[in-house]
Amino acid sequence: QSVLTQPPSASGTPGQRVTISCAGSSSNIGSNYVSWYQQLPGTAPQLLIYGSDQRPSGVPDRFSGSQSGTSASLAISGLRPEDEADYYCAAWDDRLSAPALGTGTKVAVL
Amino acid sequence: QVQLQESGPGLVKPSETMSLTCSVSGGSIRNYYWSWFRQSPGKGLEWIGYIYVSGPTNYNPSLVNRVSISADTSTNQFSLKMTSVSGADTATYFCAREADMNRAGARFTSWGQGTLVTVSS
Repeated sequence: QSVLTQPPSASGTPGQRVTISCAGSSSNIGSNYVSWYQQLPGTAPQLLIYGSDQRPSGVPDRFSGSQSGTSASLAISGLRPEDEADYYCAAWDDRLSAPALGTGTKVAVL
Repeated sequence: QVQLQESGPGLVKPSETMSLTCSVSGGSIRNYYWSWFRQSPGKGLEWIGYIYVSGPTNYNPSLVNRVSISADTSTNQFSLKMTSVSGADTATYFCAREADMNRAGARFTSWGQGTLVTVSS
């Protein structure tokens, strides 16, 4: 069972900005940094954002993250067809002593 | 660059025990937290558990009674064992490594490609 709540889907046309929310609690997002993962069809998840707003080398700056309180957001600006994927948020949960995962959001590029 | 590769039977019968192995190359399994995840067809990711060599293991509360994770430093591998499997355990199983040494978190920078396990008679 997922501890972090995301909308099941989001969509936009090429060039648009899409935002995905991630709602948690004081034991996870409220006290730890959020990571975001992109999962392209048929592949393993790949780290997209860590430390709330840091991008690993090679991740385009079209992807940005933020968090406040017990919520976090991922924004994709200048949406491209190759951004069509599933996106997951994650954060360490102090109460569970385990990583908490989001329910996942499928992004469609119309 | 560390690389991970899952291996194991693609088909397991209901009620049997499933065993998967994650082979790690390009770095030692010591000093890192190693996790197992799974993803049922068309569903989201689920964290199964982690191991820290010579240290703690921790499991998803929903699976704690059926899973165990172990590590073998001589082969640089870690393994997942799941008992009493059913159709609900049909999924792609991934292994992954936490980014930072000696720290458990939610920043997984290295993943295996995943292995599909089907539970069926």
